[in-house]
Amino acid sequence: SQTIHQWPATLVQPVGSPLSLECTVEGTSNPNLYWYRQAAGRGLQLLFYSVGIGQISSEVPQNLSASRPQDRQFILSSKKLLLSDSGFYLCAWSLHQSVPGTSAENEQFFGPGTRLTVL
Amino acid sequence: RKEVEQDPGPFNVPEGATVAFNCTYSNSASQSFFWYRQDCRKEPKLLMSVYSSGNEDGRFTAQLNRASQYISLLIRDSKLSDSATYLCVVSGGNTDKLIFGTGTRLQVFP
Repeated sequence: SQTIHQWPATLVQPVGSPLSLECTVEGTSNPNLYWYRQAAGRGLQLLFYSVGIGQISSEVPQNLSASRPQDRQFILSSKKLLLSDSGFYLCAWSLHQSVPGTSAENEQFFGPGTRLTVL
Repeated sequence: RKEVEQDPGPFNVPEGATVAFNCTYSNSASQSFFWYRQDCRKEPKLLMSVYSSGNEDGRFTAQLNRASQYISLLIRDSKLSDSATYLCVVSGGNTDKLIFGTGTRLQVFP
């Protein structure tokens, strides 16, 4: 069965410090991978998604970047954190579809999340 | 107009009650529809997919109306453990992306 891991679970960082959050998936190959942020009391905002190694699409202009150095590894980074970067960061995976949007079975499965507080 | 709209609630219902949540979406090209459940300070978890013919999973029934671009979730015989936020989720047309509603909060009381 497939599992998805994220670490760390919680993080408190000062403004201006760097960030690296890691996500790994087991039990599947060539998944689509996603990074979301959920601010307190808000909905899920898609930050990045990746359909393969080295392929990253950014959804919103921001202070963050993403990388996919291996098939089942997805990393979220920042060189200098801002106060507004605080939030609950969620990684998700879904099955890769040969033609995007053609299958109803594109549900996403989430990792346990990282709760980031920037002070 | 938001891509996915839900009543934020909260819906406060007694144990054993039946409660229904509605959701509307704006992209007529959307092909996939889901309900997710999110407990406080936890990740969202897939509750059920929503099919055109409607589908049922135990006490939960989901329905889709493509013409009205409307999705519903019905929970029968509510349990205390059903207390959570329910997220309506719709695919973004011909992409692998999903659009999440902001959720409807349900609180079941004894």
